Amino acid sequence: GIQVEQSPPDLILQEGANSTLRCNFSDSVNNLQWFHQNPWGQLINLFYIPSGTKQNGRLSATTVATERYSLLYISSSQTTDSGVYFCASPRGGSYIPTFGRGTSLIVHP
Amino acid sequence: DAGVTQSPTHLIKTRGQQVTLRCSPKSGHDTVSWYQQALGQGPQFIFQYYEEEERQRGNFPDRFSGHQFPNYSSELNVNALLLGDSALYLCASSLLTSSYEQYFGPGTRLTVT
Repeated sequence: GIQVEQSPPDLILQEGANSTLRCNFSDSVNNLQWFHQNPWGQLINLFYIPSGTKQNGRLSATTVATERYSLLYISSSQTTDSGVYFCASPRGGSYIPTFGRGTSLIVHP
Repeated sequence: DAGVTQSPTHLIKTRGQQVTLRCSPKSGHDTVSWYQQALGQGPQFIFQYYEEEERQRGNFPDRFSGHQFPNYSSELNVNALLLGDSALYLCASSLLTSSYEQYFGPGTRLTVT
């Protein structure tokens, strides 16, 4: 099945810093989603981005399907951005997303 | 617009017991998926229900079973609990026509002692 690799595994930032999270896939990317899991376990949809670039406030995401990767940009980070960021893409031919192991982000005040 | 809800929030069970977890999908959604998330890992797909039928299943033993009701709500049952079943169990809902765009509930944290 599809393999999903996320980097970096851990990230520590000072409030106000910018960061880029990366997601690499072993197979063709389709229907890719980015999620944020807050410290209480709630998974929040950030982006559904099969290709191209989308922006939502301080967050933006870019997927280059032909090169099998996606990037999540966080600008002017805030303490509330802390948590784990997951990317997920369905296994070939199915609608069931395969998740990476996530990037754990801590933003210090 | 109510999002995905799950109950209970936390649960402690003893090895060998059985457990039932519940999920109500986001309003308007017809498909429910269940995931198991062990500490430090991404969610792992258990199964998906649509029209009260199991539509797809991940690599989980038969001890894990489910049900979907006519109102689209769903239950996850786990029999003969093992210590390794301790995890956060997440329910996600979607429309079948856009199953790739899933919305997750807050989860049920199960501890097996």
